[in-house]
Amino acid sequence: GENVEQHPSTLSVQEGDSAVIKCTYSDSASNYFPWYKQELGKRPQLIIDIRSNVGEKKDQRIAVTLNKTAKHFSLHITETQPEDSAVYFCAAGTYKYIFGTGTRLKVLA
Amino acid sequence: DVKVTQSSRYLVKRTGEKVFLECVQDMDHENMFWYRQDPGLGLRLIYFSYDVKMKEKGDIPEGYSVSREKKERFSLILESASTNQTSMYLCASSFQTGGAGELFFGEGSRLTVL
Repeated sequence: GENVEQHPSTLSVQEGDSAVIKCTYSDSASNYFPWYKQELGKRPQLIIDIRSNVGEKKDQRIAVTLNKTAKHFSLHITETQPEDSAVYFCAAGTYKYIFGTGTRLKVLA
Repeated sequence: DVKVTQSSRYLVKRTGEKVFLECVQDMDHENMFWYRQDPGLGLRLIYFSYDVKMKEKGDIPEGYSVSREKKERFSLILESASTNQTSMYLCASSFQTGGAGELFFGEGSRLTVL
């Protein structure tokens, strides 16, 4: 079946450094690629998304890039802060989507 | 703000019991979803509904059924609970205009089956 692979599963960075999380997907029909952040004990919340007609999107310290040919997309967080510590999920699909297995990001002060 | 409310935060049930998980959204969203979240496995789609009385299987529907009698309410049913259904269950809704859109999640229902 269709799947989304996400790497790494855990990531530790020093405060102020950048963090990159990568995902690959198998369904070539996918046209929507959201990223969700889930803080401990809380619900997942959308932080940024990209559609297949766009290669890159940026929102302050967060950016997402998409390579449809290679079927991979990445989340970039610059100038990381302790409040960025959370689990991040990528997803890919159309009217419904498949989630990756998550990346636990720890930002060390 | 969109509000998605799940009826129970924590449930403990016995093997073989019938379990109902209720979800209500207040933003008139067409689409509603039930996911299961397990460590290391991410969020896996159980069922979703794109309209009242309409439903479609997700990736792991076995052992589950759903009901959507009203637009705002989507129920997940475990006909005969088993220990491997111990998990966190997340309901979500979205307003979709011709394509995929943002999911708004509830707080989750943590189910333990003994």
